[in-house]
Amino acid sequence: RKEVEQDPGPFNVPEGATVAFNCTYSNSASQSFFWYRQDCRKEPKLLMSVYSSGNEDGRFTAQLNRASQYISLLIRDSKLSDSATYLCVVNLEFSGGYNKLIFGAGTRLAVHP
Amino acid sequence: EAGVAQSPRYKIIEKRQSVAFWCNPISGHATLYWYQQILGQGPKLLIQFQNNGVVDDSQLPKDRFSAERLKGVDSTLKIQPAKLEDSAVYLCASSLSDRVSYNSPLHFGNGTRLTVT
Repeated sequence: RKEVEQDPGPFNVPEGATVAFNCTYSNSASQSFFWYRQDCRKEPKLLMSVYSSGNEDGRFTAQLNRASQYISLLIRDSKLSDSATYLCVVNLEFSGGYNKLIFGAGTRLAVHP
Repeated sequence: EAGVAQSPRYKIIEKRQSVAFWCNPISGHATLYWYQQILGQGPKLLIQFQNNGVVDDSQLPKDRFSAERLKGVDSTLKIQPAKLEDSAVYLCASSLSDRVSYNSPLHFGNGTRLTVT
């Protein structure tokens, strides 16, 4: 089983639609969680952290369910510029104080006019 | 602030040849990472440095890959000899500390796209 699993998509949605991405992780010791965005042929960039209480940043809402080991990202009122691959990232903390980021394979979103 | 610098941007080599990539992290960032991203997959950590010491190289194919971070600043990643399956984007990243968080996120460079023929 992969450490971080995502639906690869692609999700093809019209402008203005609401779309949700899901991610599951296998290591229950995972400490923190992030969503990264990666545009075609570009490097990944941090979109938002995922907090236990859920958090919102404009049109983006992230939620975490530790019991089910499940993370979600909701995008409301999709824009053409939201077209990208969204990477779910899990942060494992090890004794000795270092941590390791595990990336999912990403979910591709294509927003069309 | 200047971002993570990587070179070259593109490299095409034949199998069994050698190749080296260079990375200059953001000034003051103690932690440096090399990731391999194969098409259609997420980035996979190859090696993580804290200053000039190796923290994690568990997924580095040590029979052909090597990396160093002299003086705790710049880093080079080498592949010798290259195989077809090494074709990928090699991403360098840095962070202020080894405790990655929203306030101390990972910053990626543009990557080096390697094609092995």
